[in-house]
Amino acid sequence: EAGVAQSPRYKIIEKRQSVAFWCNPISGHATLYWYQQILGQGPKLLIQFQNNGVVDDSQLPKDRFSAERLKGVDSTLKIQPAKLEDSAVYLCASSLQSIGGYGYTFGSGTRLTVV
Amino acid sequence: ELKVEQNPLFLSMQEGKNYTIYCNYSTTSDRLYWYRQDPGKSLESLFVLLSNGAVKQEGRLMASLDTKARLSTLHITAAVHDLSATYFCAVGLSGDMRFGAGTRLTVKP
Repeated sequence: EAGVAQSPRYKIIEKRQSVAFWCNPISGHATLYWYQQILGQGPKLLIQFQNNGVVDDSQLPKDRFSAERLKGVDSTLKIQPAKLEDSAVYLCASSLQSIGGYGYTFGSGTRLTVV
Repeated sequence: ELKVEQNPLFLSMQEGKNYTIYCNYSTTSDRLYWYRQDPGKSLESLFVLLSNGAVKQEGRLMASLDTKARLSTLHITAAVHDLSATYFCAVGLSGDMRFGAGTRLTVKP
């Protein structure tokens, strides 16, 4: 099966600019996650979707970050305006179900550098 | 708030040796995941542990879960260079996972 697709792979922007990331999960996976991984740390959940509804966005900095999942398939994550501390790898993951013994499949990530 | 602690954070070991990575967590959960991450790469799922006493093995890696002690271990047997990577444990909480900081493993000849 095809994996989780993410684009772009790399992005360099200046602070206060805007940026958007795209994710296409594995076909049939109802649950989609966006994680932020700062260098040297474990991934931190930003937002979780179940189909096209938000399940958990408690750790999403809503003053600058937004995400949507159109038609319960693809998702985009946007940062506006970006700050230096947003430099990280943004990982998208999908899962067949949100609870239970199903593993999560991660995409290759988008490495964001804010200068 | 759920806390997930891994130790050690850095591990340098000789080929052929055995070692164990520990993952402690602070609240009740019945799902524990182990992932591997190579430099510049994404996360690869290694194990999903779902019940107390669960043990899973794949090659030189064996993972176990003790939900009463809130502890999971990842045991490495007769390490080889190809195992050099960062290993993360993640604890299932409601519908998502919370990750530990990772253990950066280097296996030297």
